[in-house]
Amino acid sequence: NAGVTQTPKFQVLKTGQSMTLQCAQDMNHNSMYWYRQDPGMGLRLIYYSASEGTTDKGEVPNGYNVSRLNKREFSLRLESAAPSQTSVYFCASSEAWVTSGSPYEQYFGPGTRLTVT
Amino acid sequence: AQSVTQLDSHVSVSEGTPVLLRCNYSSSYSPSLFWYVQHPNKGLQLLLKYTSAATLVKGINGFEAEFKKSETSFHLTKPSAHMSDAAEYFCVVSDRRSNYQLIWGAGTKLIIKP
Repeated sequence: NAGVTQTPKFQVLKTGQSMTLQCAQDMNHNSMYWYRQDPGMGLRLIYYSASEGTTDKGEVPNGYNVSRLNKREFSLRLESAAPSQTSVYFCASSEAWVTSGSPYEQYFGPGTRLTVT
Repeated sequence: AQSVTQLDSHVSVSEGTPVLLRCNYSSSYSPSLFWYVQHPNKGLQLLLKYTSAATLVKGINGFEAEFKKSETSFHLTKPSAHMSDAAEYFCVVSDRRSNYQLIWGAGTKLIIKP
């Protein structure tokens, strides 16, 4: 099992360009997430998909869109990249959203390092 | 709103000595608390989690954490540091007020001296 895979690993964009980050999981998980990680800060949730067919905004959704393509795949799109979106992006998945009042363990991909100039 | 404060941005210990990484949280509801570890240039991995069962939680690689409600703390400890423990550690809180989204601390970088 590969777990959670992300492509690409690195990307450099010019301001205003668009791109899509791809994420796939092979653990038959129902829930998937996109986070960004900036220096000196913890991870911040951009969007999540609690189950196939649903998506919801997280803490920092502005400037991003997502698509839950099927149970395995969850993509993140930057329509018009800005320097403030320079960050490391992590995709994660979990068996489901919540059980007994607590979130399930999340499994993370290796990340995509994005630079916007 | 929930928040997490990791009290040290860097902690440096010698190999074989105890490790203490400090975390305070704020939550108005019964929280779930987690510690995740991020090794250099790798993804994140769950170390341990607290979900209102035993207040002393044991995790992988000899780490443990104690939930202290009166002190709103969830400090991470290990009796004897190993070189392979060098990594960044994140304390995370979640409760129903945040719709169970994970709220992350800023991280503590653990440095192990030989």
